[in-house]
Amino acid sequence: DAKTTQPPSMDCAEGRAANLPCNHSTISGNEYVYWYRQIHSQGPQYIIHGLKNNETNEMASLIITEDRKSSTLILPHATLRDTAVYYCIGEERYGSSNTGKLIFGQGTTLQVKP
Amino acid sequence: NAGVTQTPKFRILKIGQSMTLQCTQDMNHNYMYWYRQDPGMGLKLIYYSVGAGITDKGEVPNGYNVSRSTTEDFPLRLELAAPSQTSVYFCASSLAERGETQYFGPGTRLLVL
Repeated sequence: DAKTTQPPSMDCAEGRAANLPCNHSTISGNEYVYWYRQIHSQGPQYIIHGLKNNETNEMASLIITEDRKSSTLILPHATLRDTAVYYCIGEERYGSSNTGKLIFGQGTTLQVKP
Repeated sequence: NAGVTQTPKFRILKIGQSMTLQCTQDMNHNYMYWYRQDPGMGLKLIYYSVGAGITDKGEVPNGYNVSRSTTEDFPLRLELAAPSQTSVYFCASSLAERGETQYFGPGTRLLVL
């Protein structure tokens, strides 16, 4: 299983870009990296996922290093409503295969400040 | 389109009691999951299902049972509640096993006293 490592907390000023780092040095070649967030105690919300290439959607951008050992989630213009716990998630491995089951860590608590 | 719904929202159980947490999705997803989340921690997979009639254990299945008789419903059963099962329980569903979004329900908060 790709164990992911994230800083426990980060602050960001409202309107600025939030850059959330994640280390996943044990990731396998065909293993996805997913990002979810959890606002208060609500159910986690999908943000984005990637394999090798950088990805962008309406919520965020995901930058994956060429060696795939780390990635950065970018929220381009953070708002107060982006305050949440952000999870960088790897997949469970079974033998030489990736099962698709998400392995949650403790995430990064992002506080967006006015 | 309600997505994933869970009932109840909150429940207090006495040690040894039983209960069923309900989960329903209306997106016609084959894959469904049950997670638990302890305070300050990430989610841990309890059970999952790849389709009606097929279920399998996740990381922390002890003390729980599941069934999947329809595509829409995936109930989680606690037979003999213990204080260690005090947690928030989330149900999720997805269209495929890998590379697809998991859609989560709002959660059930369970307190066992």
